[in-house]
Amino acid sequence: GQQVMQIPQYQHVQEGEDFTTYCNSSTTLSNIQWYKQRPGGHPVFLIQLVKSGEVKKQKRLTFQFGEAKKNSSLHITATQTTDVGTYFCAGRETGANNLFFGTGTRLTVIP
Amino acid sequence: EAGVTQFPSHSVIEKGQTVTLRCDPISGHDNLYWYRRVMGKEIKFLLHFVKESKQDESGMPNNRFLAERTGGTYSTLKVQPAELEDSGVYFCASTRDASYNEQFFGPGTRLTVL
Repeated sequence: GQQVMQIPQYQHVQEGEDFTTYCNSSTTLSNIQWYKQRPGGHPVFLIQLVKSGEVKKQKRLTFQFGEAKKNSSLHITATQTTDVGTYFCAGRETGANNLFFGTGTRLTVIP
Repeated sequence: EAGVTQFPSHSVIEKGQTVTLRCDPISGHDNLYWYRRVMGKEIKFLLHFVKESKQDESGMPNNRFLAERTGGTYSTLKVQPAELEDSGVYFCASTRDASYNEQFFGPGTRLTVL
């Protein structure tokens, strides 16, 4: 069955440093979504990538979808304490409706 | 617009007991999903409703889990009898359109089986 691996599992950064989390799928995806879950909260949608090689930016966040549509990354520039939380990627196979979530990367930002 | 709501927020039960979780999706959202996150692991898909019909229940772990969505509005997920490994956070999510739309998650129900 499909698996979505995400690394690293944990990341501690000093405020102002950059952060990147990587997502790899065992199968080709039709699209990939990213979610953020604040401590004690629930996953909140950030973005969806559909096209091969697509890059999207949201302020300090940059999302990439690999050329083969099997991997993705989220990069945060100059982290802030408000970036704290767990970031999940979630991939959808072609023709499928359900999402396969990665294990998540828990980001801690040290002030 | 009210978000997805789930009840209860926490449930602590003993092994062998029954628990029923409830999810109220966003009004007008035909698609409803159940997920479970066991401590430190991925958010795992359980099943997907389109209105009152089960579209995909491939993620349901075993026949101790029963999901219903009578009338196509709110959904319930019953675990009977509960086992220790059922502990985790159960999330519900909804979308208006199943294709390529963001999923709106509820706050989750934290289930602890002792």
